[in-house]
Amino acid sequence: GQQLNQSPQSMFIQEGEDVSMNCTSSSIFNTWLWYKQDPGEGPVLLIALYKAGELTSNGRLTAQFGITRKDSFLNISASIPSDVGIYFCAGVFGNEKLTFGTGTRLTIIP
Amino acid sequence: EADIYQTPRYLVIGTGKKITLECSQTMGHDKMYWYQQDPGMELHLIHYSYGVNSTEKGDLSSESTVSRIRTEHFPLTLESARPSHTSQYLCASSGGLASSYNEQFFGPGTRLTVL
Repeated sequence: GQQLNQSPQSMFIQEGEDVSMNCTSSSIFNTWLWYKQDPGEGPVLLIALYKAGELTSNGRLTAQFGITRKDSFLNISASIPSDVGIYFCAGVFGNEKLTFGTGTRLTIIP
Repeated sequence: EADIYQTPRYLVIGTGKKITLECSQTMGHDKMYWYQQDPGMELHLIHYSYGVNSTEKGDLSSESTVSRIRTEHFPLTLESARPSHTSQYLCASSGGLASSYNEQFFGPGTRLTVL
């Protein structure tokens, strides 16, 4: 099936820093979703993107749907301790199943 | 907050036992899904359903089975559990008037350990 390459695989940052992560695919998607997963819990939907070039914010989070429809970016500004977790991107073409990225593990260094 | 529930949250059982993982959603979503996830790893789709009496196998082969007799309920069954089935199982649903058909909402998961 399709694969999404998500990078970086892990990030170690200090509180207050900004964070950037991205997903790339060899196939085009018409929907990009970004999820956050805390340990032992299910993923929680953060942002959904539906149009190429779309830029959407949710508080300190901003995500963009790449112009080529093959990539997406998630930025977190002024990170706080509760941002710790694993972030997954997911892409959809049509009304097909979600394809998930491999995840970015965010750790905040004291 | 999504209204999708999974029970039990944690299950430790012996090899050979039959188990059923429950998943229910109160959002009236047509589509429901089961994913398998090892800790910190990506999610793999093992089953999905687009409506009552409709079930399909996902991308990852699984020895489990599912049923969809009611819209809100999508249980997963393992007839004979083995240690290789140890994993986290996540249920999700999508579809409805309040959200895009593609936005999946996840339950809290069931962490299964087979001894």
